[in-house]
Amino acid sequence: SAVISQKPSRDICQRGTSLTIQCQVDSQVTMMFWYRQQPGQSLTLIATANQGSEATYESGFVIDKFPISRPNLTFSTLTVSNMSPEDSSIYLCSVDGGSGSDTQYFGPGTRLTVL
Amino acid sequence: AQSVSQHNHHVILSEAASLELGCNYSYGGTVNLFWYVQYPGQHLQLLLKYFSGDPLVKGIKGFEAEFIKSKFSFNLRKPSVQWSDTAEYFCAVSSGGGADGLTFGKGTHLIIQP
Repeated sequence: SAVISQKPSRDICQRGTSLTIQCQVDSQVTMMFWYRQQPGQSLTLIATANQGSEATYESGFVIDKFPISRPNLTFSTLTVSNMSPEDSSIYLCSVDGGSGSDTQYFGPGTRLTVL
Repeated sequence: AQSVSQHNHHVILSEAASLELGCNYSYGGTVNLFWYVQYPGQHLQLLLKYFSGDPLVKGIKGFEAEFIKSKFSFNLRKPSVQWSDTAEYFCAVSSGGGADGLTFGKGTHLIIQP
C-alpha cells in the first residue's frame, strides 16, 4: 500500500484565517480523497480530487470554503478557508490503491483546532 | 445515497471474549464493503474488505467478516479478543468502480479489559 504523509500534523488557528493542508504520496495515484472527522463523529467525504481536473465536492461542501489543488499524481492540498470553530476537525486524505483495487489507504490526518 | 449503520457505539469486553460488531448498509446497487481500524494514536488502517465471491472474508489479526446480502449486513467477528484490539472500528461502503469515496458508519469504540 502507498505511504501517505500530511502536513501539518496539527495546528491551532484563529477564526477567520485559512489553513492549507498538504498530502504527499510515495507513488503515483489516480484518485485522492479528502475527509473530515469532527469530534466524536465518523469520517465524512469532502471531495474527490483527480489529477488534471476540478475536484468533485460532496453535498454540503463547496469549493469556496474548501478549495483543493491536485497539481500532479503524488500531491494534493486542501485549504480550509475563513475558519470558524465549527471547522475544528481532523482532516484526512486518502488514495486509491491503484490498478482497480477499489481500496483506499489513509494518511495520518491533520488535527485542526479553530479558536 | 448510501448510508452505514453501526449499532454498537461502545463495547467493553474482557480478554479472550468473542467479538461481533454489527454493520448494516443501505444502497440499491453493487457495493464494496470495508472494515477499518484506528488504534490509539495511529492512523486509519484497512482491516478487511469484501468485493465479491466468498461472503466470509478474513482480514488481519484474526478478524473476519461475513457479508449477508439479504440482510444488508457486514458484521465483524473475532473469536478471542486481545487487549491490543482496543481501538475504534469503522464499517464503510463504496459503490465500486474506484472513483467513489467511502461512506462510513459512526464507528464502534472497543475497549478490551485485561
